[in-house]
Amino acid sequence: EIVLTQSPGTLSLSPGERATLSCRASQSVTSNYLTWYQQKPGQAPRVLIYRASIRATGIPDRFSGSGSGTDFTLTISRLEPEDFAVYYCQQFQRYGVSPYTFGQGTKLEIK
Amino acid sequence: EVQLVDSGGGLVQPGGSLRVSCAASGFRFGDYAMHWVRQAPGKGLEWVSGISSNSGDRQYADSVKGRFTISRDNAKNSLYLQMNSLGAEDTAFYYCATGCSISSCDRKFDYWGQGSLVTVSS
Repeated sequence: EIVLTQSPGTLSLSPGERATLSCRASQSVTSNYLTWYQQKPGQAPRVLIYRASIRATGIPDRFSGSGSGTDFTLTISRLEPEDFAVYYCQQFQRYGVSPYTFGQGTKLEIK
Repeated sequence: EVQLVDSGGGLVQPGGSLRVSCAASGFRFGDYAMHWVRQAPGKGLEWVSGISSNSGDRQYADSVKGRFTISRDNAKNSLYLQMNSLGAEDTAFYYCATGCSISSCDRKFDYWGQGSLVTVSS
């Protein structure tokens, strides 16, 4: 099973600042099947970025994803108040104990 | 508009059983793989189980294998998760989510239900 480790656990920033979130995989992620989600309190997660770097429909262009293999990054160029939330990465591997795994999450909080 | 409505959660005693359901609308349900993802209160996300569009392929996380059964009824646009031998570690919100369609597959969970809370406690 591929383990995803997100860092930092908590990120404290101010609106207007740049946020950089990391997701590191224990093995190479097949075909860059790496997805980023945003989750706000009391809500289900929503897809921000898939295939490591493709923005989902309706996602503002201040969100961008990069990386390949085992190291992936979600960048929010200029934080808006509505961006403070928890962010998860998720990967898929065809073979193994669990085909889908999530990172433990990064909480982005207002400084 | 795509809608997934989770239901069936509640309080169950350790060792007990429960079935959660997901009613889908606004899309061609029978064209999509479907999944269950759970989240213990205040914790992270865990994929639980997935089923292909025609029910031919079913997969489970090791943590629930042999205890949980996923199923679907395409005629009723519904997804189910039968949970047996429940323990405290199964306490969580259970979300249904869409997976790959027959025409597109990027291994992500695009649409989610609102979650159904299952609490295992005596």
